[in-house]
Amino acid sequence: NAGVTQTPKFQVLKTGQSMTLQCAQDMNHNSMYWYRQDPGMGLRLIYYSASEGTTDKGEVPNGYNVSRLNKREFSLRLESAAPSQTSVYFCASSVSVRETQYFGPGTRLLVL
Amino acid sequence: AQTVTQSQPEMSVQEAETVTLSCTYDTSENNYYLFWYKQPPSRQMILVIRQEAYKQQNATENRFSVNFQKAAKSFSLKISDSQLGDTAMYFCAFQAGTASKLTFGTGTRLQVTL
Repeated sequence: NAGVTQTPKFQVLKTGQSMTLQCAQDMNHNSMYWYRQDPGMGLRLIYYSASEGTTDKGEVPNGYNVSRLNKREFSLRLESAAPSQTSVYFCASSVSVRETQYFGPGTRLLVL
Repeated sequence: AQTVTQSQPEMSVQEAETVTLSCTYDTSENNYYLFWYKQPPSRQMILVIRQEAYKQQNATENRFSVNFQKAAKSFSLKISDSQLGDTAMYFCAFQAGTASKLTFGTGTRLQVTL
């Protein structure tokens, strides 16, 4: 039981490049989330998926897209990366949107 | 909108001592949940403890306990018998009962020393 896994662990991009962050969970959870963490701040919600087939914007969705590929997987895409998107990205999952969220190990992204 | 405030950016405690981390929040919701998450240097976010607002009894998990004061909108974390492995950033977080997102505070960096 690996819990929530994220790939890659670390990535360097140039401004304008695109990339997809992958997240998978093996806990049979219905809900999945993407957060970003910037220095001196707590985590902020980018997008979430309450259940398979649904996605909704969070607090800071601009510049991102998401795909809930199936119940296990939830990806985050940066179409044209900007230096302001340099951050640590966390994926989380929960049984439902009102239940405790469990986090992956994070992806550190540097946009030059 | 909900806000979560952690007024102690850094704290230090000696091994085996007790330390209390403070958290206050602001909300108009009546049904909500409060959490403490730990983030060690590995950056993994680890759930420490969860409190349902409708429960008057304070949650405890081994050496970790909370002091939940609903009227004062205060949710402090007490760590007893501190261990070196408790060194980490600690985040307080709020979730409204009908909402999906967690609202985090800015964190308290705790250093446990010998």
